[in-house]
Amino acid sequence: QKEVEQNSGPLSVPEGAIASLNCTYSDRGSQSFFWYRQYSGKSPELIMFIYSNGDKEDGRFTAQLNKASQYVSLLIRDSQPSDSATYLCAAHTGGFKTIFGAGTRLFVKA
Amino acid sequence: SAVISQKPSRDICQRGTSLTIQCQVDSQVTMMFWYRQQPGQSLTLIATANQGSEATYESGFVIDKFPISRPNLTFSTLTVSNMSPEDSSIYLCSAVSGYEQYFGPGTRLTVT
Repeated sequence: QKEVEQNSGPLSVPEGAIASLNCTYSDRGSQSFFWYRQYSGKSPELIMFIYSNGDKEDGRFTAQLNKASQYVSLLIRDSQPSDSATYLCAAHTGGFKTIFGAGTRLFVKA
Repeated sequence: SAVISQKPSRDICQRGTSLTIQCQVDSQVTMMFWYRQQPGQSLTLIATANQGSEATYESGFVIDKFPISRPNLTFSTLTVSNMSPEDSSIYLCSAVSGYEQYFGPGTRLTVT
């Protein structure tokens, strides 16, 4: 069964620190990977996606992909209390089917 | 990007009744999906809504319980039939635009 695994957390970091969120996936055929942020009671919001090995930066966010290790990560620099949310990692398999991880809860302490 | 709206945003329904959730996208999209999310849990794909043909259901979900329509490229409905308390959940419509997948605000369903 195709799976995406995440540490459920909570991950607690002080304001201004770097938050590192990690994810592994089981299906080597997965083509692209997505990070979503979900605030309590809200729907998931796309932060960024990555499909090539290496790093991809967008503002304070950096996604990292290592296909050999089947590993995806999201770094949040200069973490803010407003970044406190659940972060969902997702992998696209064939036919636009997306497999979601269970999410990691992040708390940024002011 | 795609902006997705859903109606209703929440409802409280009695056991044995049915509820139809509507999903409207502000642009034509290739793929539309329906997900369910239990409190504190991740997203579970119910089905892919196919335009002009029957939806494709995931394991554990059947058409008689969750009939889906998609009459055009911007609109879909999900019906939760013969509801039981176990159907209490948040139901999310999703659409793929370009290379990205977006979600509607969700419908919070409580079955009593």
